[in-house]
Amino acid sequence: EIVLTQSPDTLSLFPGERATLSCRASQSVSSNSLAWYQQRPGQAPRLLLYGVSNRATGVPDRFSGSGSGTDFTLTISRLEPVDFAVYYCQQYAGSNTFGQGTKVEIK
Amino acid sequence: QVQLVQSGAEMKEPGASVKVSCKGSRYTLSNHYIYWVRQAPGQGLEWMGIINPRGGATSHTQKFQGRITMTRDTSRSSVHMELSSLTSEDTAVYFCARSGDAMVSDATLDYNYMDVWGKGTTVIVSS
Repeated sequence: EIVLTQSPDTLSLFPGERATLSCRASQSVSSNSLAWYQQRPGQAPRLLLYGVSNRATGVPDRFSGSGSGTDFTLTISRLEPVDFAVYYCQQYAGSNTFGQGTKVEIK
Repeated sequence: QVQLVQSGAEMKEPGASVKVSCKGSRYTLSNHYIYWVRQAPGQGLEWMGIINPRGGATSHTQKFQGRITMTRDTSRSSVHMELSSLTSEDTAVYFCARSGDAMVSDATLDYNYMDVWGKGTTVIVSS
């Protein structure tokens, strides 16, 4: 099973700042089979990116993804108030697994 | 818009079973795999299993071996997930989610990103 480890656990930033979230896999994720989700309190997760860097429908372009192999990054260029939430990475190259999540909180 | 509509909250006693339903709206359920994911209070997302709604094939993580049953009802465009022998550790919100890519055949199972999610079904296990 591919284990995903996200860092940091919590990111404290001001609105307008840039957020950089990391997701590291225990083995190479083939075919760029890596997605990112946003979850606000009391809501279901929302797909942000798939195939490492493809934005889902309706996702603003301030969200971007990069990486390959075992190291992946989600970048939010300028944090809006609605972006303060928990973010999960997911690999779907071999079964499905999720990272433990990174909480982006207002500083 | 495309939705997955889940059944309502449940409260169960330890040892009982719970069945959660998930119905596709504004799309053909049998064109996409359905995944089940759960989230315990204050915890992260845990993938549980997958069903091919067309052919009925299923797979699940080893953790739920012997306790999980996933079925489909093609006439009602819905799928179901039943979890048995419940303990307090099964208290969670259970989500169904659709595969982003369409299915390729009746018999396959494929792992994919999840582009549409149900709102979740809260299951509380308590005596």
